Amino acid sequence: GAGVSQSPRYKVTKRGQDVALRCDPISGHVSLYWYRQALGQGPEFLTYFNYEAQQDKSGLPNDRFSAERPEGSISTLTIQRTEQRDSAMYRCASSSPSGRAVQHGELFFGEGSRLTVL
Amino acid sequence: AQSVTQPDIHITVSEGASLELRCNYSYGATPYLFWYVQSPGQGLQLLLKYFSGDTLVQGIKGFEAEFKRSQSSFNLRKPSVHWSDAAEYFCAVSNRDDKIIFGKGTRLHILP
Repeated sequence: GAGVSQSPRYKVTKRGQDVALRCDPISGHVSLYWYRQALGQGPEFLTYFNYEAQQDKSGLPNDRFSAERPEGSISTLTIQRTEQRDSAMYRCASSSPSGRAVQHGELFFGEGSRLTVL
Repeated sequence: AQSVTQPDIHITVSEGASLELRCNYSYGATPYLFWYVQSPGQGLQLLLKYFSGDTLVQGIKGFEAEFKRSQSSFNLRKPSVHWSDAAEYFCAVSNRDDKIIFGKGTRLHILP
């Protein structure tokens, strides 16, 4: 697509429910990143993929969080048994037709999925 | 692990005045450095980046940044700000394995 698309844009859920956030990167982009951004804070790294391979998941807060990108394109971030502290904007970014995100140097961000856990 | 510090949470300048936003990083080797801007309700947009070579880099919208290895800094500057520059600015750092870490941001306010 023309840009990074995230869905849903807004999600309100009750504590204990599972949520799945979807990211559709720019067509042809090899690298895909997930960040979490609390209000007034910078993006906090969660995980990233090159193609379908998860390169680094060190930023995932705990084992309730998981991400996949099975065909190297669309990615899903899943949060199980949500808690109120999970409320935040979840941002996806894609980069690098060449597969080297840093050398390309530009992350293209989606508009984010705002998650509210009641 | 690499980290980024933006010591100023808020900065207020008058329209037409010069601007400098501070960024310090912690990393053992020469990092890759970036500045992004986020307007209210919008996503993040890359302003400029430093990989190697000339330590003064030019970006979009009239911004520039200077890499100073001795000070572990990558401060963002603009000679004359416009009201449309009001936004939040994020410094980011990466090593060669592609993880990009962002600072907490500096919110820029412009006085008319």
